[in-house]
Amino acid sequence: RKEVEQDPGPFNVPEGATVAFNCTYSNSASQSFFWYRQDCRKEPKLLMSVYSSGNEDGRFTAQLNRASQYISLLIRDSKLSDSATYLCVVNEMTTDSWGKLQFGAGTQVVVTP
Amino acid sequence: GAVVSQHPSWVICKSGTSVKIECRSLDFQATTMFWYRQFPKQSLMLMATSNEGSKATYEQGVEKDKFLINHASLTLSTLTVTSAHPEDSSFYICSARNPLAAYEQYFGPGTRLTVT
Repeated sequence: RKEVEQDPGPFNVPEGATVAFNCTYSNSASQSFFWYRQDCRKEPKLLMSVYSSGNEDGRFTAQLNRASQYISLLIRDSKLSDSATYLCVVNEMTTDSWGKLQFGAGTQVVVTP
Repeated sequence: GAVVSQHPSWVICKSGTSVKIECRSLDFQATTMFWYRQFPKQSLMLMATSNEGSKATYEQGVEKDKFLINHASLTLSTLTVTSAHPEDSSFYICSARNPLAAYEQYFGPGTRLTVT
């Protein structure tokens, strides 16, 4: 079983619409959670951290459900520039305390005019 | 914000040769850097953790004699793919740990390696 699982999509979203997708993680001891954005053939870029109380950054809202071990990302008023692959990233505490990042394979979002 | 650079951005080499990839943190000192590999439509897979002044820690299944890592300074880590084979063709990405923000990592732009 993968440590971090995501629906690969693609999610085809009309411009201006709302899209939401989840990610599940297997390690209940995971401490930190992030959403990264990766454009084709580029490096991942941090979109936002995910906090227990849920957090919002402009059109993006992230939520964490520890009991069910999933995090979600919601994008409102989608823009063409939001087309990308969104990576769910979980930081696991290890004995060496370096906190390795576990990446999901990504959810592809395609915003159409 | 913090910037991490990688060089080269892409490289084509012949099977059996070695390729060195550099990862630099440009505006902060990184005691810990990470090397990832990403195959098409797959997630980033951590290959090794590079620690300044000490040996790298390799993930299970990654051959340390094939993927040589040197972290000689607080701003530079290098990954050398020795005796490259076509199956080593991949997107190699480094990241540097943000010393001021726990668990945040800044990623380099990646190096696309093609072995012919």
